[in-house]
Amino acid sequence: GENVEQHPSTLSVQEGDSAVIKCTYSDSASNYFPWYKQELGKRPQLIIDIRSNVGEKKDQRIAVTLNKTAKHFSLHITETQPEDSAVYFCAASSPRTLGFNKFYFGSGTKLNVKP
Amino acid sequence: DTEVTQTPKHLVMGMTNKKSLKCEQHMGHRAMYWYKQKAKKPPELMFVYSYEKLSINESVPSRFSPECPNSSLLNLHLHALQPEDSALYLCASSQDGRLPRTGELFFGEGSRLTVL
Repeated sequence: GENVEQHPSTLSVQEGDSAVIKCTYSDSASNYFPWYKQELGKRPQLIIDIRSNVGEKKDQRIAVTLNKTAKHFSLHITETQPEDSAVYFCAASSPRTLGFNKFYFGSGTKLNVKP
Repeated sequence: DTEVTQTPKHLVMGMTNKKSLKCEQHMGHRAMYWYKQKAKKPPELMFVYSYEKLSINESVPSRFSPECPNSSLLNLHLHALQPEDSALYLCASSQDGRLPRTGELFFGEGSRLTVL
């Protein structure tokens, strides 16, 4: 089955700096790669996603890049703000013939943005 | 409506109690999921229903019993739980992933379960 590895497990940056979180996956059939932000006590919220037919996607201060050959994808946050502090999870999934997606999550990165 | 609604938000139960968690979505999604999440860990898949049929049971103990009464509702029946079952239980739904530009997982707010 799929194996998703995520690094680093914790990341501290100064406000205004950039943050990069990296994930690797093993199953070449995976074709959808979402990133979730989870604040303490809250649900995971999708912040950006990318499909395997795209190499890069950007949404304001957040961008995701995908390298299918190397099987890795990364989350880039620029001009970080204290409210970006949270745990971030990457995931990889592929559709199953029964109509659902099985999601494999990375172990999470705790981002701390210091004011 | 892009919401997945879960009730109750908090639940405290003893090891001999029987309780249920409920989940509802009205986005027309045909896949619904139960995840268990411990503090500082990623969500851990428990069950998947696709078109109201149980498609995945990730070797979950029988003290957890899922039910999908219709395409909008998902329940998780709890009986004789252990203290280590205390966690955040997340319901999620998604479109049929075989359709183009689909696959996003929509999470509910979760039910915080404490087993005494």
